[in-house]
Amino acid sequence: GQNIDQPTEMTATEGAIVQINCTYQTSGFNGLFWYQQHAGEAPTFLSYNVLDGLEEKGRFSSFLSRSKGYSYLLLKELQMKDSASYLCAVRSNAGKSTFGDGTTLTVKP
Amino acid sequence: DSGVTQTPKHLITATGQRVTLRCSPRSGDLSVYWYQQSLDQGLQFLIQYYNGEERAKGNILERFSAQQFPDLHSELNLSSLELGDSALYFCASSGGVAYNSPLHFGNGTRLTVT
Repeated sequence: GQNIDQPTEMTATEGAIVQINCTYQTSGFNGLFWYQQHAGEAPTFLSYNVLDGLEEKGRFSSFLSRSKGYSYLLLKELQMKDSASYLCAVRSNAGKSTFGDGTTLTVKP
Repeated sequence: DSGVTQTPKHLITATGQRVTLRCSPRSGDLSVYWYQQSLDQGLQFLIQYYNGEERAKGNILERFSAQQFPDLHSELNLSSLELGDSALYFCASSGGVAYNSPLHFGNGTRLTVT
């Protein structure tokens, strides 16, 4: 089975940097995804990591350490529109994606 | 627009009833996934289909069933509905078994059981 942990809530200031952590335990690992979900809307894909290291995509970066079962999503130059829930999801060998409960990020002026 | 279409957007029904939720995946995607999201909770995986065949099953209740048709659209059937079944039901599709293929979500069907 899979167990995924993320902080429930985080608050940060506009223009700042925030790091959202995700730890996981899985019996078969084939990649870790981050999604963004605004309230009442569908999740949208942000990033994917399967090898250790950092993947950078504009203001967003994601890091993975497979040996530690750990990932983080780094958001730079925060904007008010970044206020949303951020979901960490682990894909198993069978292709199934299991989601964490999400981290609700509030960006304040 | 993700390219995944879900209908209906909203459903209000009474306890004990049966409903069918419909999903059309993105053009070319063979995999369809169903997730349930209750208020202020995470996405709970229900079931996955690949090219018409069931591929993985999550914590899907026996009252719930799903299928994927030859044209790749999928339906989720929920029967003997209970108040606790009220939730947002998402369908997602991906481009097959490639492990770096992300999920593309539809806008969801909001089910309210009264």
